[in-house]
Amino acid sequence: GENVEQHPSTLSVQEGDSAVIKCTYSDSASNYFPWYKQELGKGPQLIIDIRSNVGEKKDQRIAVTLNKTAKHFSLHITETQPEDSAVYFCAASEDYGQNFVFGPGTRLSVLP
Amino acid sequence: DAGVIQSPRHEVTEMGQEVTLRCKPISGHNSLFWYRQTMMRGLELLIYFNNNVPIDDSGMPEDRFSAKMPNASFSTLKIQPSEPRDSAVYFCATSPGQGFSGANVLTFGAGSRLTVL
Repeated sequence: GENVEQHPSTLSVQEGDSAVIKCTYSDSASNYFPWYKQELGKGPQLIIDIRSNVGEKKDQRIAVTLNKTAKHFSLHITETQPEDSAVYFCAASEDYGQNFVFGPGTRLSVLP
Repeated sequence: DAGVIQSPRHEVTEMGQEVTLRCKPISGHNSLFWYRQTMMRGLELLIYFNNNVPIDDSGMPEDRFSAKMPNASFSTLKIQPSEPRDSAVYFCATSPGQGFSGANVLTFGAGSRLTVL
């Protein structure tokens, strides 16, 4: 089955700096890779996703890159703000698949 | 839409008691998932339904756990009898389902935090 690893487990950055979180997956059949943000006391919320026919996708301050050959994908947050502090999860599944495998999560702290 | 509604938000019970967690999905979403979140194991898929039919329950830890979806507007996750190791946050999530726009975009509820003493 699919296995998703995520690094680092914790990340602290100064406000305004960039943050990068990396994930690797094992199943070459996976072709849909979402990123979820979980704030304290809330459920995870989708922030960006990418499909395997695209190498990069950007939405304002966040971007995701995918290297299908190497089976890894990354989340990039630029100009970080305190409200970016949260736990971020990557996930992998087959397109239209229903069984998402989540990474263990990265706790991001943005220091003012 | 009010999103995915879960109840109760917090539940404290004693070992051996029955626990029932409830979920109201987003109207029109055809797929419903139950996840469990713990520090040790992260987010684990327990079971998911398509059009009210259970598709994959391989993540259900043992026979003490059961889930039902009697109609498109309601699902329950039951633990009987509960044990301290069941303490976790249980999330319900829904998606439009296969063949629909945004088919596999999950919308999570706020979760039910269960503590079994």
